Amino acid sequence: EPEVTQTPSHQVTQMGQEVILRCVPISNHLYFYWYRQILGQKVEFLVSFYNNEISEKSEIFDDQFSVERPDGSNFTLKIRSTKLEDSAMYFCASSEYRSLGYTFGSGTRLTVV
Amino acid sequence: KQEVTQIPAALSVPEGENLVLNCSFTDSAIYNLQWFRQDPGKGLTSLLLIQSSQREQTSGRLNASLDKSSGRSTLYIAASQPGDSATYLCAVILDSGGSNYKLTFGKGTLLTVNP
Repeated sequence: EPEVTQTPSHQVTQMGQEVILRCVPISNHLYFYWYRQILGQKVEFLVSFYNNEISEKSEIFDDQFSVERPDGSNFTLKIRSTKLEDSAMYFCASSEYRSLGYTFGSGTRLTVV
Repeated sequence: KQEVTQIPAALSVPEGENLVLNCSFTDSAIYNLQWFRQDPGKGLTSLLLIQSSQREQTSGRLNASLDKSSGRSTLYIAASQPGDSATYLCAVILDSGGSNYKLTFGKGTLLTVNP
């Protein structure tokens, strides 16, 4: 069964450093998303991406965050200057059509120290 | 703003028991509803997707129902097994009429099935 692949599975970074989280969505999917889950809290929407542009972003997704689909297969989330409160599990997801539901990756656990 | 609530927050049952997990949402204008399973420290595995026009979906021992008008969904697990132990998340997509179909999640029900 097709999968969404995320790398790395765990990343530790120092506060103020830039991190790039990588995702390979399912190849025929058109809609791409990043979500995050702070330990013990709900899964929260960060950003959706369609047709090579951001279609919606949450209030969490401020100027420190950016997304890219650099080569037609990868989908990346960049955090420019990490803060302690960015520590969370970050999930990438993709969808072929809106009506067919989402497939999530296994997540990247980001720890900012 | 769409709010999703899941009750109970935690549930512990003996193996073999049938059980029901509940999900409620405040805005009934949803596009679809998806149930996920999350094992500790892991990703989200899709279990069932119910379109807004459907009343229920079944997969093996799982059955999910949807009542849009009352803003409720239930996930029924038959003959529970220890391997069913996980957190079960309910998520809805609001039918905003635009191109953005983000999921709004509940906090989940932590299920423990005891052998």
